[in-house]
Amino acid sequence: NAGVTQTPKFRILKIGQSMTLQCAQDMNHNYMYWYRQDPGMGLKLIYYSVGAGITDKGEVPNGYNVSRSTTEDFPLRLELAAPSQTSVYFCASRTTTASNEKLFFGSGTQLSVL
Amino acid sequence: DQQVKQNSPSLSVQEGRISILNCDYTNSMFDYFLWYKKYPAEGPTFLISISSIKDKNEDGRFTVFLNKSAKHLSLHIVPSQPGDSAVYFCALAGSARQLTFGSGTQLTVLP
Repeated sequence: NAGVTQTPKFRILKIGQSMTLQCAQDMNHNYMYWYRQDPGMGLKLIYYSVGAGITDKGEVPNGYNVSRSTTEDFPLRLELAAPSQTSVYFCASRTTTASNEKLFFGSGTQLSVL
Repeated sequence: DQQVKQNSPSLSVQEGRISILNCDYTNSMFDYFLWYKKYPAEGPTFLISISSIKDKNEDGRFTVFLNKSAKHLSLHIVPSQPGDSAVYFCALAGSARQLTFGSGTQLTVLP
């Protein structure tokens, strides 16, 4: 059981480039999330999805896009990379059980925009 | 405007002693409280949680205390072990069922 898998683990982008961070889970979770963690800060929610075909903005969505065509996959797209997007990105998922907020996280993607 | 604060960026404790990590919040609408542990180069992993109807939850060496009137959450680790050295995040859920995270506390347990 792999859990939540993120690729790539590391990436360096030039300003203005685009890329997609991949996230896949094999736990049949309906809820999936993208967070970013800046140094010395907590995790901030970028986008989330409550099921295939449904996505919504979190606290810091600007500069990002997401799609959810299947239950398993939830890719995060950066269209025009900026230095402010240098961060560690975490994907997470959870069940839809009421009052169960426990998230399962991937191992993260370290992104640098230079 | 931080809704969730972990005011101690770091904490060092001797092996075998108690570690106490603290978390303060401002929004009384939070009703579910979690602690996550994070090792370097890994994602956070769930440690323990508590709902607002309780004031204590225990799981082995880990106990979470909730003081709703003070809007204060704490995690006690007894006895502390070197393998507990990690960053600990508190995370709070409100009516939107989204988690708001604190900035984390780096715990170092000295052998």
